[in-house]
Amino acid sequence: ELKVEQNPLFLSMQEGKNYTIYCNYSTTSDRLYWYRQDPGKSLESLFVLLSNGAVKQEGRLMASLDTKARLSTLHITAAVHDLSATYFCAVVGYSTSNYGGATNKLIFGTGTLLAVQP
Amino acid sequence: NAGVTQTPKFQVLKTGQSMTLQCAQDMNHEYMSWYRQDPGMGLRLIHYSVGAGITDQGEVPNGYNVSRSTTEDFPLRLLSAAPSQTSVYFCASSFSESYEQYFGPGTRLTVT
Repeated sequence: ELKVEQNPLFLSMQEGKNYTIYCNYSTTSDRLYWYRQDPGKSLESLFVLLSNGAVKQEGRLMASLDTKARLSTLHITAAVHDLSATYFCAVVGYSTSNYGGATNKLIFGTGTLLAVQP
Repeated sequence: NAGVTQTPKFQVLKTGQSMTLQCAQDMNHEYMSWYRQDPGMGLRLIHYSVGAGITDQGEVPNGYNVSRSTTEDFPLRLLSAAPSQTSVYFCASSFSESYEQYFGPGTRLTVT
């Protein structure tokens, strides 16, 4: 059964600093997503990582995927207050369905609450 | 194009009551799913559907029922509400389970 772990669960950082959020998963997968959630809001897709070695960047956020290590990282560069949010990774896991045949399920990590202090 | 819509936004139920959370999408997505979000536990998959007439259980299906009679709609039924079902519920849809999922705005449910 696929398990997805994120760390840290909570991250308080100062503006201008760099940090990394880690996402580990337990079984083989070739597709990983990063989402952002603002307080009281829904989830917004940030990145889709589709293959080993994939790297995506948007502004101060960069995500990478190592399928051999079953690890994805979300790196924050020179944090700003606007990046304060909860970040989730989600991994597509393969299993057998009850209706017959294989199926894929999207399993989420526990989330990392990022608070960027001025 | 409204995307994924959910109703109601907020709901308070008494223990033992039943209700249906509505979810609809207008993107012609085959795959739809329901998650619940609880503090410190991320999002957990309740049920999902790969197309009209086909549903399956996720990680935490007990106490919930689903059906999918049309491509657009995927309602979630709470059969007999319990305080443990107090949570925020999100519906999501995508072209398939391997593609990026689009989330609805959520329903905050409190069971007293």
